[in-house]
Amino acid sequence: DQQVKQNSPSLSVQEGRISILNCDYTNSMFDYFLWYKKYPAEGPTFLISISSIKDKNEDGRFTVFLNKSAKHLSLHIVPSQPGDSAVYFCAASEAAGNKLTFGGGTRVLVKP
Amino acid sequence: ETGVTQSPTHLIKTRGQQVTLRCSSQSGHNTVSWYQQALGQGPQFIFQYYREEENGRGNFPPRFSGLQFPNYSSELNVNALELDDSALYLCASSLAAGGAIYEQYFGPGTRLTVT
Repeated sequence: DQQVKQNSPSLSVQEGRISILNCDYTNSMFDYFLWYKKYPAEGPTFLISISSIKDKNEDGRFTVFLNKSAKHLSLHIVPSQPGDSAVYFCAASEAAGNKLTFGGGTRVLVKP
Repeated sequence: ETGVTQSPTHLIKTRGQQVTLRCSSQSGHNTVSWYQQALGQGPQFIFQYYREEENGRGNFPPRFSGLQFPNYSSELNVNALELDDSALYLCASSLAAGGAIYEQYFGPGTRLTVT
């Protein structure tokens, strides 16, 4: 059973515009959520996290929104840059640092 | 500050053989987790070690085993390799302190191919 789902396998966006990545989860015990970015031949790089007591967290160009009632989170990247082209994974855990359950990833392509 | 390192980068093994993968945690981190990433999928949790003890295990058979050493480096051992074990194996380290465990930072991974 896929407890964390990223329903869009790919996303193409123009440089300077907003990228919106979506993620849905089914396990109501998840209370900590993270986004990772992965380039080919590298490990995932931590981007931003949010705990279930918040509904929004910002870090520079990256903002994560959490809708607990809908079991949905999203990552907004504004403005998108060509260097943002990568695979993005959302992940969830029942406690920070505990085992992470990952979605299948969304490949983002930012066109110059 | 040194990041998470893994060795080897690539490995080719034959079905039935055994393999050992190694990981050095980021400086100051005391917790290590291992993940398996099959092609086109997200990473799947194998197990986590904290202070040399297993601290949680995913849905992997006992032929997947691990160790954490006093310097917090770690090994992943897989016995009786199967073709489906071909994947990228990722190690992630984190800091557990004061009852909280912070974000996990990943190494570059070891690409294992089983023929």
